[in-house]
Amino acid sequence: AIQLTQSPSSLSASVGDRVTLTCRASQGISTDLAWYQQKPGKPPSLLLSDASSLASGVPSRFSGSGSETDFTLTISSLQPEDFATYYCQHFSIYDLTFGGGTKVEIK
Amino acid sequence: QVQLVESGGGLVKPGGSLRVSCAASGFIFSDYYMHWIRQAPGKGLEWVAYISSSGKTAYYADSVKGRFTLSRDNAKNSLFLQMNSLRDGDTAVYYCARDEGSYTFDYWGQGILVTVSS
Repeated sequence: AIQLTQSPSSLSASVGDRVTLTCRASQGISTDLAWYQQKPGKPPSLLLSDASSLASGVPSRFSGSGSETDFTLTISSLQPEDFATYYCQHFSIYDLTFGGGTKVEIK
Repeated sequence: QVQLVESGGGLVKPGGSLRVSCAASGFIFSDYYMHWIRQAPGKGLEWVAYISSSGKTAYYADSVKGRFTLSRDNAKNSLFLQMNSLRDGDTAVYYCARDEGSYTFDYWGQGILVTVSS
């Protein structure tokens, strides 16, 4: 099974900062990657699919890039509501795997 | 609007069984694959299983294969997860989620806690 490694596991940032989160796959997965945001006590919500396609209603400050083994999620200007944990997810018919998550905290 | 509401969680002893349900509304349930994803306390997300829109095909994570069974009743817009031979490691919040069409999850329920403990 494909393994997804997210880095860093946590980071501290300030409102207005540009933040980049990384997800690395153990083997090439084309662009079969999604990103989710989860706030405490809430279910995750879909941010992007196909590595870079913004989900409906997601602000444009979120963007994704990458292919095969290396992917990034960028928040161009961190807002107070963006402090949360972010997960990447590989999707295929027989392999659905999440990364371990990156927690974005307030500096 | 799309709603997914889980029910049936609770405390069960190791080796026991539990059935959790998910009631769907606000969309044509029979058009969508559905999934269960779980999250152990303080931990990350783990995909558990999915079922095709017709209910004819289900696929499971290795960690639950042979113990969990996923089914659906399209006439009642409901999804069911039968969990047998439960272990301590199955303790988690269980979320049902809708597949947006490519094995990603566009709507999630609020989750239901299943605790396996003696």
